[in-house]
Amino acid sequence: GAVVSQHPSWVICKSGTSVKIECRSLDFQATTMFWYRQFPKQSLMLMATSNEGSKATYEQGVEKDKFLINHASLTLSTLTVTSAHPEDSSFYICSAPQGGTSGEQYFGPGTRLTVT
Amino acid sequence: QKEVEQDPGPLSVPEGAIVSLNCTYSNSAFQYFMWYRQYSRKGPELLMYTYSSGNKEDGRFTAQVDKSSKYISLFIRDSQPSDSATYLCAMSGQAGTALIFGKGTTLSVSS
Repeated sequence: GAVVSQHPSWVICKSGTSVKIECRSLDFQATTMFWYRQFPKQSLMLMATSNEGSKATYEQGVEKDKFLINHASLTLSTLTVTSAHPEDSSFYICSAPQGGTSGEQYFGPGTRLTVT
Repeated sequence: QKEVEQDPGPLSVPEGAIVSLNCTYSNSAFQYFMWYRQYSRKGPELLMYTYSSGNKEDGRFTAQVDKSSKYISLFIRDSQPSDSATYLCAMSGQAGTALIFGKGTTLSVSS
């Protein structure tokens, strides 16, 4: 299957600082990528859709000024958590559809964010 | 009623057992169906992908989709301790759109 990478895999930051998470599709191009958040023992919660060449669309309740998304190229989307607070500590995962008529989507390995 | 219902378990079976995991859904527009396996603190790994109705087999795994009943299943034969993980069903109505997930079923296979 297709490969999606994320960097970093784990980050610890202090309250009030910003953190950038990268999501890359390694062997295919993705005009769309999705960002999810997952709390322990819960399912994935869609945060936003990242669109190459246009603004991201955010799910209801997700602060777009806090979670900045930039789809810089056909293989890279970034999520920046601005002015992070302890309640932003979570597991952030991106996914990318394979494209064309295939419904397959591939997920990155996830980034664990801990805000102290 | 949630769009996708999945029994969270936990489900515990002995090694070698046949495991059956299921999801029901309410949106008849769904036509892309996936099963993911997720280990603790890892991203979901795509196990099985099915378009529309039918069966698909890959090694020890079989996915079934019954659109008339809005019901999908994943069968694991000869289960192994390494199969212990959370299994998530996911689906969408159009290719390339965001997936709708079930809550996930936690499976434990004991040796």
